[in-house]
Amino acid sequence: EAQVTQNPRYLITVTGKKLTVTCSQNMNHEYMSWYRQDPGLGLRQIYYSMNVEVTDKGDVPEGYKVSRKEKRNFPLILESPSPNQTSLYFCASRSTSGRAGDTQYFGPGTRLTVL
Amino acid sequence: AQSVAQPEDQVNVAEGNPLTVKCTYSVSGNPYLFWYVQYPNRGLQFLLKYITGDNLVKGSYGFEAEFNKSQTSFHLKKPSALVSDSALYFCAVSFYNTDKLIFGTGTRLQVFP
Repeated sequence: EAQVTQNPRYLITVTGKKLTVTCSQNMNHEYMSWYRQDPGLGLRQIYYSMNVEVTDKGDVPEGYKVSRKEKRNFPLILESPSPNQTSLYFCASRSTSGRAGDTQYFGPGTRLTVL
Repeated sequence: AQSVAQPEDQVNVAEGNPLTVKCTYSVSGNPYLFWYVQYPNRGLQFLLKYITGDNLVKGSYGFEAEFNKSQTSFHLKKPSALVSDSALYFCAVSFYNTDKLIFGTGTRLQVFP
């Protein structure tokens, strides 16, 4: 089954404790992206990657890091989480054959709480 | 600036009645328009998209949307709502030669029995 998976699905942590949220897709997509969803703000892009070893900032990159060492994986790293990073996070992927017209497929989400 | 507006935070409709969830956009150039749905505790699921061609697009679960270039709108519609359609709906827009998908703030649809 074609899918985007994320782990963990739920995470409660404390300020300053480094964490990683994993994302993996099995559709051989070149493009992957991370979003955060906050009430009243919709989804905002954190980082994206056009392919292996190619990453770029989205609209709200502060406090986050990413890496793309393999095509299928795109982990999101919070080096020193803060309470304002409490949010619902989504990973997404799409092919780049049609660029912007291709559909993005989303993972199930990771609900992060930073105390 | 490129943007998407969903003017209603919530839409309430009785089961069996038609529903409309509104979306307007502002982009330079020709837009690619998407609708996604988020059920409670679930990820975003793709419903439908408009790239080019026929202005009326049909998607999953009986939903459809009409692209109106003059009004810069892409409203989501369904002829007969079901209680199971209750969810959070997001409109999103992209455009040629960009890697960005811009989302609206979402509209919560509540269908009452």
